[in-house]
Amino acid sequence: ELKVEQNPLFLSMQEGKNYTIYCNYSTTSDRLYWYRQDPGKSLESLFVLLSNGAVKQEGRLMASLDTKARLSTLHITAAVHDLSATYFCAVPPLYNTDKLIFGTGTRLQVFP
Amino acid sequence: SAVISQKPSRDICQRGTSLTIQCQVDSQVTMMFWYRQQPGQSLTLIATANQGSEATYESGFVIDKFPISRPNLTFSTLTVSNMSPEDSSIYLCSVVVKNYGYTFGSGTRLTVV
Repeated sequence: ELKVEQNPLFLSMQEGKNYTIYCNYSTTSDRLYWYRQDPGKSLESLFVLLSNGAVKQEGRLMASLDTKARLSTLHITAAVHDLSATYFCAVPPLYNTDKLIFGTGTRLQVFP
Repeated sequence: SAVISQKPSRDICQRGTSLTIQCQVDSQVTMMFWYRQQPGQSLTLIATANQGSEATYESGFVIDKFPISRPNLTFSTLTVSNMSPEDSSIYLCSVVVKNYGYTFGSGTRLTVV
């Protein structure tokens, strides 16, 4: 059974600092998704990573995927308050590539 | 990408009653997914709803508790039956669009009292 874990679960960081969120998954998969969720809101798609070595960047966020290590990272550069949210990675298992298994989530709080 | 209209957005229900949540998609999609997000937790897949066949439920979820309908390629409902306070969660529907990925509805925040 596919399990997806994120760390840290909670991250409090100062504006202007850099940090990385890690997403590990237990069985082979061919792609990975990152989502953002603001309190009381639905999920917003951030990145779709479709192959080993894929790297995508949008603003202060950069995501990468290593399918051999079953690891994805979400790097935050020079954090700003607007990035405060919960971030989820999600992986489709190879035995059923239509559904997503979500990570535990990382709650990010950026303070001045 | 697809646009999903989900309703109600929130409800407060008495224990023992049932609530039906609706999701309408602006394009035809083969699969729709229903998730539960308990307070402060991640998303857990309840079931996959295919048009023309019974929904496929994940471990720990049963049809009697969470009956699902999928009458056509743009619409689905999830019913939370015989509710208890433990059912208080956000329920979200989702669809996958080819070459785009997954889109989520705005969610239904359910409180059972």
